[in-house]
Amino acid sequence: GEDVEQSLFLSVREGDSSVINCTYTDSSSTYLYWYKQEPGAGLQLLTYIFSNMDMKQDQRLTVLLNKKDKHLSLRIADTQTGDSAIYFCAEIPPPSGGSYIPTFGRGTSLIVHP
Amino acid sequence: DTGVTQSPTHLIKTRGQQVTLRCSPISGHKSVSWYQQVLGQGPQFIFQYYEKEERGRGNFPDRFSARQFPNYSSELNVNALLLGDSALYLCASSWGTGNEQYFGPGTRLTVT
Repeated sequence: GEDVEQSLFLSVREGDSSVINCTYTDSSSTYLYWYKQEPGAGLQLLTYIFSNMDMKQDQRLTVLLNKKDKHLSLRIADTQTGDSAIYFCAEIPPPSGGSYIPTFGRGTSLIVHP
Repeated sequence: DTGVTQSPTHLIKTRGQQVTLRCSPISGHKSVSWYQQVLGQGPQFIFQYYEKEERGRGNFPDRFSARQFPNYSSELNVNALLLGDSALYLCASSWGTGNEQYFGPGTRLTVT
């Protein structure tokens, strides 16, 4: 995931908002995704945004995209202890040989304190 | 709807052995991708298949191979296992190669 960078840890208090940041390198990327992974589990697709959008809101989740700075963020409102997990940012660059291959960041570990 | 399923859940193998991992996609999805996730890292792309044809290959040695069957399920094979192959192997399915991917729970492979 060297082309997609995320901070490794974020600690918040229950009820506060969490903001997880991600920078990516391919300005041609068409899709940007956020996944959640709980311990010992696979990845759960949370939300995604197309590169022609600046913002997307889905219940407690808000995704902001700054294409100029190649910066993506995920805001979780009213963070709950059940939101504690690792969050992965992924970019989908333009197709290579007809294949859209996601590149994932290393993940941000979100810890929510009661 | 049943999500992506993978088998087995856990596997312990010895160096030099061979392993086969299996994946069944979400009904209606025609594309399957395989990823390797080492502890503390994000998933690394291994293969993508669509309509039984390989559409993408990541930077993995030839010891790794895969195939997709007419029912769109898939197998990942790893030969001559090394200690460094110990990881969580994730399968993801999507309608096509450019659509959002849905992941299975993974197979935890331990090589001793």
